[in-house]
Amino acid sequence: KAGVTQTPRYLIKTRGQQVTLSCSPISGHRSVSWYQQTPGQGLQFLFEYFSETQRNKGNFPGRFSGRQFSNSRSEMNVSTLELGDSALYLCASTSGVQETQYFGPGTRLLVL
Amino acid sequence: DQQVKQNSPSLSVQEGRISILNCDYTNSMFDYFLWYKKYPAEGPTFLISISSIKDKNEDGRFTVFLNKSAKHLSLHIVPSQPGDSAVYFCAARLGGGADGLTFGKGTHLIIQP
Repeated sequence: KAGVTQTPRYLIKTRGQQVTLSCSPISGHRSVSWYQQTPGQGLQFLFEYFSETQRNKGNFPGRFSGRQFSNSRSEMNVSTLELGDSALYLCASTSGVQETQYFGPGTRLLVL
Repeated sequence: DQQVKQNSPSLSVQEGRISILNCDYTNSMFDYFLWYKKYPAEGPTFLISISSIKDKNEDGRFTVFLNKSAKHLSLHIVPSQPGDSAVYFCAARLGGGADGLTFGKGTHLIIQP
């Protein structure tokens, strides 16, 4: 079974721009969660989608948003990028409620 | 307020010996705990988990112990191998259908030959 895939793997943007990251979960998995990893804050939960609905949300500003499609693929969007948004963005998928999360390789975003 | 803490940023262990990684938590509503291993430029890889109703779970060289009264869990790796060198993250999940994980900041395990 193919693992979680994320595109693109690397991205460079400038302040004020917006960015869209994509995540394809493991086949059959319906839940997708997004995390941000930075050296200072570690891994922090952004939000979780299940059956196209946002089920949980972490403590991030409204500039961070996401969605999930009917095929369970998910996108996250960050608008009005700030330097502090530079991070590794990780996506994880699970087969159902409260199952183990499996992570993708991440998208490395650099904001200049 | 950090709800999951890994107080050792790094740990050095000789090959063949036991590695013990520790994790403390403050939220008594956490009901499931996981350990992940991460190499640079890769996503975390799931290692082992434990439900709050258990105090031990074993999988090959990896054993996780949970002490609920102390709000403490530990990961034992026996014997340690060079390929175990990585950053290890402890994570916890709330009960009741909330799926977002709360992570510790990680412990960098270095296995010395």
